[in-house]
Amino acid sequence: GENVEQHPSTLSVQEGDSAVIKCTYSDSASNYFPWYKQELGKGPQLIIDIRSNVGEKKDQRIAVTLNKTAKHFSLHITETQPEDSAVYFCAASNDYKLSFGAGTTVTVRA
Amino acid sequence: GAVVSQHPSRVICKSGTSVKIECRSLDFQATTMFWYRQFPKQSLMLMATSNEGSKATYEQGVEKDKFLINHASLTLSTLTVTSAHPEDSSFYICSARDDSRGYGYTFGSGTRLTVV
Repeated sequence: GENVEQHPSTLSVQEGDSAVIKCTYSDSASNYFPWYKQELGKGPQLIIDIRSNVGEKKDQRIAVTLNKTAKHFSLHITETQPEDSAVYFCAASNDYKLSFGAGTTVTVRA
Repeated sequence: GAVVSQHPSRVICKSGTSVKIECRSLDFQATTMFWYRQFPKQSLMLMATSNEGSKATYEQGVEKDKFLINHASLTLSTLTVTSAHPEDSSFYICSARDDSRGYGYTFGSGTRLTVV
């Protein structure tokens, strides 16, 4: 099955700085790579996703890059704000089910 | 966008009783729904895939007689935790996939189950 590794497990950044989270996947058949933000006691919320036919996607302060050859994808958050503090999960799907990374706890220091 | 409603958000039950959690897709039809379990400070672990009109597919190590899944309609899947024990206490989250609009996977708000 698919194995998704996510790093780092914790990330502390100064407000206004950028945050980068990296993930690798093992199944070359995976073709959909979403990123979720989870706040305490809530379900995950999709913040951005990318499909395997695209190398990069951007939505305001959030961007995701995908390198299919190396089987890794990354989340970039620019101009971080305190409300960006949460747990972020990457995931990979082969059109059947999602496999999640272990999560990254992001803390934005004011 | 796609919306998934999950109820209840919190439930406390006594050991030995059963608890039912509902997951509804509000504005789309979901032929496939997924049930996850999440322990504190851990990732989401897929328990089972729920298919409308057929039996659920359980992940390895998940007891299908303990975690009963029913997906009787295109907008509703239920997870029943039978004969609950304290070790079943966890955060349960459902997800549904809207294949018609390519919205990917939408998650419910989760259910915090505490078995006392």
